[in-house]
Amino acid sequence: ETGVTQTPRHLVMGMTNKKSLKCEQHLGHNAMYWYKQSAKKPLELMFVYSLEERVENNSVPSRFSPECPNSSHLFLHLHTLQPEDSALYLCASSQTGQTRRYTFGSGTRLTVV
Amino acid sequence: DQQVKQNSPSLSVQEGRISILNCDYTNSMFDYFLWYKKYPAEGPTFLISISSIKDKNEDGRFTVFLNKSAKHLSLHIVPSQPGDSAVYFCAATGAGSYQLTFGKGTKLSVIP
Repeated sequence: ETGVTQTPRHLVMGMTNKKSLKCEQHLGHNAMYWYKQSAKKPLELMFVYSLEERVENNSVPSRFSPECPNSSHLFLHLHTLQPEDSALYLCASSQTGQTRRYTFGSGTRLTVV
Repeated sequence: DQQVKQNSPSLSVQEGRISILNCDYTNSMFDYFLWYKKYPAEGPTFLISISSIKDKNEDGRFTVFLNKSAKHLSLHIVPSQPGDSAVYFCAATGAGSYQLTFGKGTKLSVIP
C-alpha cells in the first residue's frame, strides 16, 4: 500500500467522548501534518511533526492532542470536543529539505453532536 | 487576515475552452507556490508548482503564471475537460517554513 491513509473516514462523536484519528504514510516522508478544513474556510494547519518531533502548534485548543510515535504514523486524540469542531481533518506528509509538496490523505469527516 | 486569497468561489467553463483560476497573496516572504486539486470525498492532490525565481511553469494542459510585483498567480487549464471539475486550492510557503498557507479554493465546473 502506498500514499497516505486516514482512518476512520467518518466519525460521529458526542461532546463527552474520547476518540482518535489515525494517519499512516508509506512514502518514506519525514514530516507529517494535521490540517482542519471547515466549511467556507481555508485549510488551517494544526500541527507539524518533523522527524517525530512537534515543530509547530498553531494555537490549537488542548482538546486536540497529537501523537507521532514514529515517522510513519500520526494520531490526533480528541477529547470533549465542541460542535464547532465538526470539520474535515486532513493528514499530510512531505519530505523536508526537498520538495515542499504535501501528499494528503482522504481525510476524516468529523461530526460532533 | 488571509494571506492567500482566491476571490472566485466558483467558475464554470465550457469543455474545450480555457479555465483561468486566480490567486493573490500578501506575504512578501512567500517564495514557492502550489496548486492542489480536490475531488469530493478525497484529499487534495498536488497539481503544479512554481518557484519565485520563475514566472511560468507548464505541465501538459496546466500552466501556472506568477506575477511577483502584483503578488498574483494564475492557473490556466487548456483545453478544459469534464474530469477537471473539482475544487482548486492555491497554496504558498516561504523558505525554511513547514507550513503551506492555503486559499479557500475555487470550484471549477467544466460543462460538456
